[in-house]
Amino acid sequence: AQSVAQPEDQVNVAEGNPLTVKCTYSVSGNPYLFWYVQYPNRGLQFLLKYITGDNLVKGSYGFEAEFNKSQTSFHLKKPSALVSDSALYFCAVRVRDQAGTALIFGKGTTLSVSS
Amino acid sequence: DARVTQTPRHKVTEMGQEVTMRCQPILGHNTVFWYRQTMMQGLELLAYFRNRAPLDDSGMPKDRFSAEMPDATLATLKIQPSEPRDSAVYFCASGFSQTSTDTQYFGPGTRLTVL
Repeated sequence: AQSVAQPEDQVNVAEGNPLTVKCTYSVSGNPYLFWYVQYPNRGLQFLLKYITGDNLVKGSYGFEAEFNKSQTSFHLKKPSALVSDSALYFCAVRVRDQAGTALIFGKGTTLSVSS
Repeated sequence: DARVTQTPRHKVTEMGQEVTMRCQPILGHNTVFWYRQTMMQGLELLAYFRNRAPLDDSGMPKDRFSAEMPDATLATLKIQPSEPRDSAVYFCASGFSQTSTDTQYFGPGTRLTVL
């Protein structure tokens, strides 16, 4: 069965410090991986995705994520956190060659950035 | 700036009443997904369509939920009769499934409260 795990319910970071939000996945084939962010009372916004090629993917708002096949991980990172980055972050996976199928989402990680 | 729109944004109703939620996918997108978000369960896939045809509704309680796409610009999710446990935020997302790299774009959600 395909699944995504976000092992931390909450991550607390001071503004200006680097942040990491962790994600691991389990799929039967090669994965496509996504990160979404949800601000309070809003829908999910697409941040970035890994398809193939360079393991380091750059996305919106200065975020990046590193695909690690051996560790089946896709951690979200940012070199310097902002208070405005505080939100709920979701990792999601889809198996390749399954076009148009639904994403499988993790439970979400709340990021809190303090000033 | 193309967006997925959902109506209503908020709905409060009494147990037993019918609830209809509507979604307008991004023009040109051919896949539509319905998700439900609760604190306890996180994001759950209810149903999805490709080219207006239902592909998977296994996540949906069949006895009370129904999802349709009357045309390419409208998707509906109905609950009849509604129950307090249906209280959640319901998200619609759309995408273009040319390949499995397609990204899903989410609407702002309908916050449903069943009393």
